[in-house]
This record gives sequence, C-alpha cells and structure tokens, in this order.
Amino acid sequence: GDSVTQMEGPVTLSEEAFLTINCTYTATGYPSLFWYVQYPGEGLQLLLKATKADDKGSNKGFEATYRKETTSFHLEKGSVQVSDSAVYFCALIPGYGGSQGNLIFGKGTKLSVKP
Amino acid sequence: GAGVSQSPSNKVTEKGKDVELRCDPISGHTALYWYRQRLGQGLEFLIYFQGNSAPDKSGLPSDRFSAERTGESVSTLTIQRTQQEDSAVYLCASSLLRGGNTEAFFGQGTRLTVV
Repeated sequence: GDSVTQMEGPVTLSEEAFLTINCTYTATGYPSLFWYVQYPGEGLQLLLKATKADDKGSNKGFEATYRKETTSFHLEKGSVQVSDSAVYFCALIPGYGGSQGNLIFGKGTKLSVKP
Repeated sequence: GAGVSQSPSNKVTEKGKDVELRCDPISGHTALYWYRQRLGQGLEFLIYFQGNSAPDKSGLPSDRFSAERTGESVSTLTIQRTQQEDSAVYLCASSLLRGGNTEAFFGQGTRLTVV
C-alpha cells in the first residue's frame, strides 16, 4: 500500500547550517506530497506542498521538489535558525488510481538547532 | 472557531475504563479526520467523516473504537475498555474537502495515558 519513509532523527544542527531531511514514498497513481511541521507545544501545520512531478513547494525558507523518478520529496533549508526546532512530517495523499485519499504520514524527524 | 479544538488536552485513565475524546472542527469544514500517534511513530489514520456520507472507518484498530459526528460539527471518539496499548496522542483534523490538494488543519491533540 501507499507509504512514506523519512530519515530517522533526531537531527541536531548549529544555527546557519544547511538542512536536508530525506523523504521517499510508495504510491500508486499520482499523489500530492506535503511537509507538515509540529513546533513544541503546538499542533501540526502545513509547511509546504507539491501536487505534481517537478513542482517545488516553498515556505519560510524551506523547499522541497517533487521527484517522481526517484519517488522523493526531500526537505531543504539553506540556513536554519533556532526557531526551526520542531518535528517535521512528510506526508502524501494518494492520487487518481491510488488508494483512498487519506493523508498518510511518515514517522517524523525531530530537528534541534543550537545557537 | 479560529482553529480545530480538542478536549481534553490530557487524559489519564485506568485500564478497562471507557474514554471519550472531543473534536471541534473549523466552522464550515466538511471533512474531519481522526489520527493516532504513538510515541516515536508516525500518524496512524483512524476514521474520516465527509459531510453526510458514510464515514470511512477502515483505520479503526478494533471494535472498541468508535466515532460519531453530528452533521458538520463536533465529533467524539470513544474508546471502550481501554488497554495500555491505546496510550497515544489522538489528533483531529478538518478540511474543506477530502483528498486532492486540500490542506488539513490539525488540533493540538489529546494525550491519552492508560495505567
């Protein structure tokens, strides 16, 4: 069935370091892809999304490109800040030809940014 | 309201007791999801409501779990005869439409601990 696999955490970086959180997916059809973020003490919120191959989602300096050939949607940021410390979830909604359109999540990657 | 509201935020219950969790979705949102997040795990889909359609209960782990929704408003998730394995954070989300590219807005969750 449809699934999302993202890199294990926790990830600890120094401020201004480059961030990559890997995410790969398995899905039939053409899924939409998402990154959600959960800041300490807060609910999940959408960070960015991409709905078709080669689309790039971006928000708050974060970017992710929908790569159908590698079934990946890696999250990147050029210079992280302490305020980026959070848990990041990769997710998909199966598209046409796939399973029911439920939002399927990876296990989450905890990011800690040190000053 | 302004966002998805869940209550209680924390619940400790004895094994074998029944619990009821509440979710108030964003006003006007026709779709409502329940997810479960065990410690260190991703989000596990439980049940989905969309308008007046029959709910998608395919994610409910056992017949001890049930959920109701009145129209397009409040939903309650009931767990009967709780077990220690039910300990998790239960998250509710709402959106305007199911599937496609629609963003799901999440509440802060109910942390359930079964002792």
